[in-house]
Amino acid sequence: DGGITQSPKYLFRKEGQNVTLSCEQNLNHDAMYWYRQDPGQGLRLIYYSQIVNDFQKGDIAEGYSVSREKKESFPLTVTSAQKNPTAFYLCASRLGGLRVLNNEQFFGPGTRLTVL
Amino acid sequence: KNEVEQSPQNLTAQEGEFITINCSYSVGISALHWLQQHPGGGIVSLFMLSSGKKKHGRLIATINIQEKHSSLHITASHPRDSAVYICAVLNTGNQFYFGTGTSLTVIP
Repeated sequence: DGGITQSPKYLFRKEGQNVTLSCEQNLNHDAMYWYRQDPGQGLRLIYYSQIVNDFQKGDIAEGYSVSREKKESFPLTVTSAQKNPTAFYLCASRLGGLRVLNNEQFFGPGTRLTVL
Repeated sequence: KNEVEQSPQNLTAQEGEFITINCSYSVGISALHWLQQHPGGGIVSLFMLSSGKKKHGRLIATINIQEKHSSLHITASHPRDSAVYICAVLNTGNQFYFGTGTSLTVIP
């Protein structure tokens, strides 16, 4: 089945620890995105990548890092510098990236991160 | 001010009612995306449109580019339609901006 997988679904970490969230897609999409969702707020863009080995900061990139070594994978690291990391994190992908407009995004099931 | 505003924030309806959720935006867009988020958190794409109207089953989405407004309609609502409906716009820089969502509860 084609789709986007995120793991784990729930993640607990102690304050001060870095943690990496996985996102894998087998849709052959060029573009991948990481969003953060907090109660009462719309999804906010953390990082996005239009092609392999390239990524750009979104609106709330501070305290996060990403890599895009393979087309299928776009892991997100939540570092200890992120002041309020507890949130629901969603990964998405989209066909075309820079070349093709107006393609919809497909979302993974999300990872709920709780920092204790 | 958010680039995307949705109304209402919360909506409760009786099964069978016709439902309308509104989305207004303030930026230039190339397309608008309606999404559905269930209690478990997963998000499903409903429609992506840049003009006119699209229909899929009991769902209808319309957009008026001049007025910067879109509506999502649900006909003959059912309890399984209960979810959060999110409007997102794709700006001319190829980035998405999201509304805060409309939480819909359909009572049997």
